[in-house]
Amino acid sequence: DAGVIQSPRHEVTEMGQEVTLRCKPISGHNSLFWYRQTMMRGLELLIYFNNNVPIDDSGMPEDRFSAKMPNASFSTLKIQPSEPRDSAVYFCASHISNRGLGEQFFGPGTRLTVL
Amino acid sequence: GENVEQHPSTLSVQEGDSAVIKCTYSDSASNYFPWYKQELGKRPQLIIDIRSNVGEKKDQRIAVTLNKTAKHFSLHITETQPEDSAVYFCAASNGGSQGNLIFGKGTKLSVKP
Repeated sequence: DAGVIQSPRHEVTEMGQEVTLRCKPISGHNSLFWYRQTMMRGLELLIYFNNNVPIDDSGMPEDRFSAKMPNASFSTLKIQPSEPRDSAVYFCASHISNRGLGEQFFGPGTRLTVL
Repeated sequence: GENVEQHPSTLSVQEGDSAVIKCTYSDSASNYFPWYKQELGKRPQLIIDIRSNVGEKKDQRIAVTLNKTAKHFSLHITETQPEDSAVYFCAASNGGSQGNLIFGKGTKLSVKP
C-alpha cells in the first residue's frame, strides 16, 4: 500500500491566489482528516469526513477555507484567497473507522508558503 | 469538547537517561490515547497507544500509563538514544467511532550524546 498521498509536497504562491491541496487516503479507509501545523499553534484539526460526508468543520479558520471529498479516494482543501498567515504544513490523515478506535495514518504533508 | 494539555513543551536529557511526557484530558468519555512521534520534516507516526480498559502498556523501551480517575496519561522512554530526538504528541479520542483525535501541543525531546 502506498499510504496516504498528498500533492503538491511544496507550494509557494502569492497572497490573493487560490491554493488547492490534494489528498488520496489509504484504500478502504473511510475517515479522512485535514490538519494544519505551525510552530505557534501546533497540530490543528481543520475538518474531517466520514464516508465522504463532512462531520466537523469547526476547525476551519474562516470562509476562505473549503474542503470537499467527492469520492472515497480523493479530497481537496482549498484556500481562496490565500494570505501569508496561511503559511504552514498541511497534513491529511486517514483512518478505518469500521474497526472502531485506532490509528490515523498521516500523509507526508504539503508545505505551503504564501508570500 | 475534549481538551488535551501536554507537558513539558521541551525536554532535554542525556543519552541513556529516561524521559517522561505527561498529558491530561478533560472529557471522561475519552477512551483511546495514542502517542505520535514526529521527526524533523517528517509526518507524525504512531508509536504506541492505550485504551481505557488497561492501565499500562509497554513496547520495548517505551511505555504508556493511564490514570482514568485523574484523567492523565504519560509516555515513558527508557535508555534514551539520539534517534529518540523528535516532537512527541499525545492525543485523546472523543469517544466517536470515526477516529477523531484531539492532539496535545507537542513536546520537543532532545537526547544529547
